[in-house]
Amino acid sequence: AQRVTQPEKLLSVFKGAPVELKCNYSYSGSPELFWYVQYSRQRLQLLLRHISRESIKGFTADLNKGETSFHLKKPFAQEEDSAMYYCALGRRQGGSEKLVFGKGTKLTVNP
Amino acid sequence: DTGVSQNPRHKITKRGQNVTFRCDPISEHNRLYWYRQTLGQGPEFLTYFQNEAQLEKSRLLSDRFSAERPKGSFSTLEIQRTEQGDSAMYLCASSQGSSYNSPLHFGNGTRLTVT
Repeated sequence: AQRVTQPEKLLSVFKGAPVELKCNYSYSGSPELFWYVQYSRQRLQLLLRHISRESIKGFTADLNKGETSFHLKKPFAQEEDSAMYYCALGRRQGGSEKLVFGKGTKLTVNP
Repeated sequence: DTGVSQNPRHKITKRGQNVTFRCDPISEHNRLYWYRQTLGQGPEFLTYFQNEAQLEKSRLLSDRFSAERPKGSFSTLEIQRTEQGDSAMYLCASSQGSSYNSPLHFGNGTRLTVT
């Protein structure tokens, strides 16, 4: 079964500090991993995908299959990064489009 | 706003009543998804359509739930004989192609409260 764990419900950092939002997954096959973000009063939107290996708004995430993790990192947090972050897992094989989301981490960046 | 549109934004109903929600996806998107989100949880997959075909359904989608996308454009999600456990935010999303290659574009959701 697919499972996503985001161990921190709340995370608070100061502006300019590094931030890491943890995501661990459980899946025996080849995973597809995503980070989705929801800013205050906005819709849920894609932040980044592991397959793209891109940096969006200064955030990066590396898939570590050995540790089954996909942690989201940013070296210098900004106040506008304050939001709810969800890690999501999919399995491309079999044609399934189902994404399994974690419970989310609320990030607050203090001035 | 050319994003995904969901109506109504809020729905309060008494237990046992039927409710129907509507989702209008981004016009060129061929895939449409329904998710449900309860307090403190992430979104949970319910079902998805490619054009008018419903290709995948979650076990969460009990017999009381039915979704349609009759012409491959807008979609409706109906819940019959609502129960208090159905209270949640119902999210619709659309994408052009697979969600693995194209981002899901979410709507603002319909918040259902069953009293």
